[in-house]
Amino acid sequence: QKEVEQNSGPLSVPEGAIASLNCTYSDRGSQSFFWYRQYSGKSPELIMSIYSNGDKEDGRFTAQLNKASQYVSLLIRDSQPSDSATYLCAVNGANFGNEKLTFGTGTRLTIIP
Amino acid sequence: DGGITQSPKYLFRKEGQNVTLSCEQNLNHDAMYWYRQDPGQGLRLIYYSQIVNDFQKGDIAEGYSVSREKKESFPLTVTSAQKNPTAFYLCASSMGENTEAFFGQGTRLTVV
Repeated sequence: QKEVEQNSGPLSVPEGAIASLNCTYSDRGSQSFFWYRQYSGKSPELIMSIYSNGDKEDGRFTAQLNKASQYVSLLIRDSQPSDSATYLCAVNGANFGNEKLTFGTGTRLTIIP
Repeated sequence: DGGITQSPKYLFRKEGQNVTLSCEQNLNHDAMYWYRQDPGQGLRLIYYSQIVNDFQKGDIAEGYSVSREKKESFPLTVTSAQKNPTAFYLCASSMGENTEAFFGQGTRLTVV
């Protein structure tokens, strides 16, 4: 079992709709969770971090964490063509002070105008 | 400007050569990371360091080496033992304590 799993996609969503991206992780003790966006040929950029169960909203983005189910998701509301990118889920170490940051393989998202 | 600087942006290596990729940060971050990304793939962890003079192997450390002699610097050497080194290499840093990591612009290494 991979440590961090994502559906590779591609995921196609009409402009203006909600895009939903999902991620599961294997280590129940993981402490912190991140979503990164990566445009083709570029380095990843952080868009959301979440540390506790529940929802966290930032503009059009909402991250959701459910530690009991070992599941983290990202919702993008009012999707724009500029949201077309690969979205990477990352999970930090199970033990506090263990800084191992592991990424999923990413989900490629395409917003259709 | 604060940030993470990787150099060079593009690097070509002949088979059998060692090459060193530079990563410097002026964010006063404690933790630093090296990842490798192959086309259409996610990021795979090569090495990471939580403090100066200490580092840990990631998931694909074979054929790579690192040092962390200064807080600001975490160079990666791709040795001749790495059989398929052509990839996009990404360096990142964070404050540690499970906080967010930020990336440099990456180095694209090609074996010729």
